[in-house]
Amino acid sequence: DQQVKQNSPSLSVQEGRISILNCDYTNSMFDYFLWYKKYPAEGPTFLISISSIKDKNEDGRFTVFLNKSAKHLSLHIVPSQPGDSAVYFCAASALNAGNMLTFGGGTRLMVKP
Amino acid sequence: KAGVTQTPRYLIKTRGQQVTLSCSPISGHRSVSWYQQTPGQGLQFLFEYFSETQRNKGNFPGRFSGRQFSNSRSEMNVSTLELGDSALYLCASRAGGGSSYEQYFGPGTRLTVT
Repeated sequence: DQQVKQNSPSLSVQEGRISILNCDYTNSMFDYFLWYKKYPAEGPTFLISISSIKDKNEDGRFTVFLNKSAKHLSLHIVPSQPGDSAVYFCAASALNAGNMLTFGGGTRLMVKP
Repeated sequence: KAGVTQTPRYLIKTRGQQVTLSCSPISGHRSVSWYQQTPGQGLQFLFEYFSETQRNKGNFPGRFSGRQFSNSRSEMNVSTLELGDSALYLCASRAGGGSSYEQYFGPGTRLTVT
C-alpha cells in the first residue's frame, strides 16, 4: 500500500517555464512534507518542506503548496532551468513515526534549453 | 560544515557474505537514519538511531541491523546477503529535537551482490 504517490514518472518542460510536480498521500497522520532532488549516483538533496499547519512555503524559485483536504501537495519551480533536470521525490513524516520518511516513487524532470 | 559521509561508496559481495556500511553524520547531528533504494521498491526506511538507541525500524528482515556510536557515527550490517539486497544504501542525518523533520543525505553506498 503506497502511502505517498507521485503519479507522473516523468515531466518535460521548456527552460524558463513553470514546472509543477505533484504528490498525493493517503495517511492523514502525516504532518510534515518534504521535497528532495536527486541526481544519479548521488544522495537526495533537500529542497523545501512544509508543515501541515501551512498551505504554502516559498524559497526562491521553489514553492510548495499543500492541500490537506485533498491530501495533495505540489512543487512549483519558476523559472525552470536546465540544471533542475533530476528526479524529484516527495516525502512525508508523521509525528508518531519519529524521523521515518515515507517517499513517493519520484518524478523525472527534464528541462529543455 | 562537512556533509554526511558514507564509506565505502561501492561494494561488491557474494551471496551469503555479510557487509558493514559506515555513515558519519553532519557535525552536531544526533539522529541517523538508513534507507534502501532499489528500482522496484523505491526509497524505503530501514531504521533510525538517536543517541545510540534505535528509535524506529522499517519493515526489513532481521538480517539488517545497525548501531550508533557515542560520536553519532553509525554502521549498518547486512548478514547472509541475498541477490535482492543489491541496492543503494543511503544514510541521512538530522539535528534531532525540535519540530524540524529535514534530513540530509549522504552520497550512498552502492552494494552489488553477485
